[in-house]
Amino acid sequence: DGGITQSPKYLFRKEGQNVTLSCEQNLNHDAMYWYRQDPGQGLRLIYYSQIVNDFQKGDIAEGYSVSREKKESFPLTVTSAQKNPTAFYLCASSWGHDANYGYTFGSGTRLTVV
Amino acid sequence: DAKTTQPPSMDCAEGRAANLPCNHSTISGNEYVYWYRQIHSQGPQYIIHGLKNNETNEMASLIITEDRKSSTLILPHATLRDTAVYYCIVRGGATNKLIFGTGTLLAVQP
Repeated sequence: DGGITQSPKYLFRKEGQNVTLSCEQNLNHDAMYWYRQDPGQGLRLIYYSQIVNDFQKGDIAEGYSVSREKKESFPLTVTSAQKNPTAFYLCASSWGHDANYGYTFGSGTRLTVV
Repeated sequence: DAKTTQPPSMDCAEGRAANLPCNHSTISGNEYVYWYRQIHSQGPQYIIHGLKNNETNEMASLIITEDRKSSTLILPHATLRDTAVYYCIVRGGATNKLIFGTGTLLAVQP
């Protein structure tokens, strides 16, 4: 079945450590996105990529980095510069940047800084 | 990007229709109205989207007013499993991204 896979589902990190969240899709989608969700709030866009080897900052990119070396993969690194990294992280993909196509979301990674 | 306004919460009796309103008074001509829902601790699930015409699929119906300034998502026969946060989003325009608000928490009561 086609879909988008995020791993791990739960992740614990010590303060000061970088951590990378995985996102893989087999939908042949061009565009991929990373969102962050805090309790009781909506999703906020971190980074997005419309094509391989290209990505753009979203609304809250500080303290995060991404890469897009393959169409299928869009990993997110939460660096030690991110002051409040504990959150629920969601990855999504879509066909290009056409507004007539919706996003498919993964099941999310819950990151906790201990 | 056009903003949307939704009530923070609604209740609905099981088996009845759930009608979720959304205001998007600043929507422009090339922007689509999307509806997603999110069950606790899961990724958002696509429900339906439309541009001008009313739309229906196996999950729901979307009614868009003629002036496109508001819309209503209709779940025809709500079940307990429809309890979720429902997001109304306008997509298109300059940035063409999905920008989420805080949504409506729909509680389906037995």
